[in-house]
Amino acid sequence: DVKVTQSSRYLVKRTGEKVFLECVQDMDHENMFWYRQDPGLGLRLIYFSYDVKMKEKGDIPEGYSVSREKKERFSLILESASTNQTSMYLCASDSNTGELFFGEGSRLTVL
Amino acid sequence: QQQVKQSPQSLIVQKGGISIINCAYENTAFDYFPWYQQFPGKGPALLIAIRPDVSEKKEGRFTISFNKSAKQFSLHIMDSQPGDSATYFCAAIGYSSASKIIFGSGTRLSIRP
Repeated sequence: DVKVTQSSRYLVKRTGEKVFLECVQDMDHENMFWYRQDPGLGLRLIYFSYDVKMKEKGDIPEGYSVSREKKERFSLILESASTNQTSMYLCASDSNTGELFFGEGSRLTVL
Repeated sequence: QQQVKQSPQSLIVQKGGISIINCAYENTAFDYFPWYQQFPGKGPALLIAIRPDVSEKKEGRFTISFNKSAKQFSLHIMDSQPGDSATYFCAAIGYSSASKIIFGSGTRLSIRP
């Protein structure tokens, strides 16, 4: 069974803190994605990666960075968290068929 | 030109009724139109998808209707059940590449018993 695992389901951080969101997939997919989900705005792409150490900006990359040192792992980094980054973050991987497999999400609250 | 417009934002349907969610797009380069279903506390999962060479695709109680000339597609849920209560996202992809996927804003569907 395909699986995308996000290590933290709920996080509470303070403004200015550095935040790491980790994602691991066990499907040997080349492509991995980080989305942000906000009510009424749907799913917005932050960054994606199509290979180890490769990354591409999505629609809303400002304030975020990513790291992909291994094929199965894709990390989202908030260098200095701000309150407007309070959101649900979804990691996904792609089988190159156009079908995205999502993790269960990480709900981040920045105080 | 890259937008996918989804409506309604929320929908309440009685058990046994038909739920209809609509989406419209502008970019004619899109060649794959999936629908994702998301239950509370879960990530979205692919529900059903269609390519523009057909006008309809049916899987069980779920049907996608596709109107290429109008650049519109819709999800119909027949005999809606309380277990169908979820958020639904339409999407459009160009060149069958998930990196090019554009999502609609989502519809929160509630099925009343």
